[in-house]
Amino acid sequence: QKEVEQNSGPLSVPEGAIASLNCTYSDRGSQSFFWYRQYSGKSPELIMFIYSNGDKEDGRFTAQLNKASQYVSLLIRDSQPSDSATYLCAVSNSGGSNYKLTFGKGTLLTVNP
Amino acid sequence: EAQVTQNPRYLITVTGKKLTVTCSQNMNHEYMSWYRQDPGLGLRQIYYSMNVEVTDKGDVPEGYKVSRKEKRNFPLILESPSPNQTSLYFCASMLHPPRTDTQYFGPGTRLTVL
Repeated sequence: QKEVEQNSGPLSVPEGAIASLNCTYSDRGSQSFFWYRQYSGKSPELIMFIYSNGDKEDGRFTAQLNKASQYVSLLIRDSQPSDSATYLCAVSNSGGSNYKLTFGKGTLLTVNP
Repeated sequence: EAQVTQNPRYLITVTGKKLTVTCSQNMNHEYMSWYRQDPGLGLRQIYYSMNVEVTDKGDVPEGYKVSRKEKRNFPLILESPSPNQTSLYFCASMLHPPRTDTQYFGPGTRLTVL
């Protein structure tokens, strides 16, 4: 069973701080890695994706991937109360006719004003 | 506007009464899928479709059926709903694998089976 693990939280940070969200995965053949944000009662929204080892930055968000350690993280700088949401890590396999996207259970982030 | 629509958004039904949740996308996406989301269990894939007339089981297909007769529509059918199918359901579409960066989710359907 291929698994994606996240700390369920809640993770609480003060406004303006850096929030660090972590995810590990079991399938070494995983190719692509995604972070979704989900507000309560809403659908998931893709905020970052990363394919290669290293860091990828987009505004206040940085995704980090370490395939050797099977670890992917999301950093949110200058956290805002509007960042309060559940963050879902998702991992995809190699694609083709057996394409599969597996989600972690999510980490609830609360940013306190 | 690019979007995935689902209907109904909310549904309360009784055990055994057949129901269909519709899903439609306007982006000419090839790949569509259905997920259910339950507290403590996360998002789990029910069925997916690589293209018209091509569907396959996800992780939790028991008790569900799907069809893909047209590219834009991917209905989820519960022939005989049971209380353990009470959940929040999401339809999603993407251009084609592995372009998960093009994936959109619908707004969700909250189903309660009594």
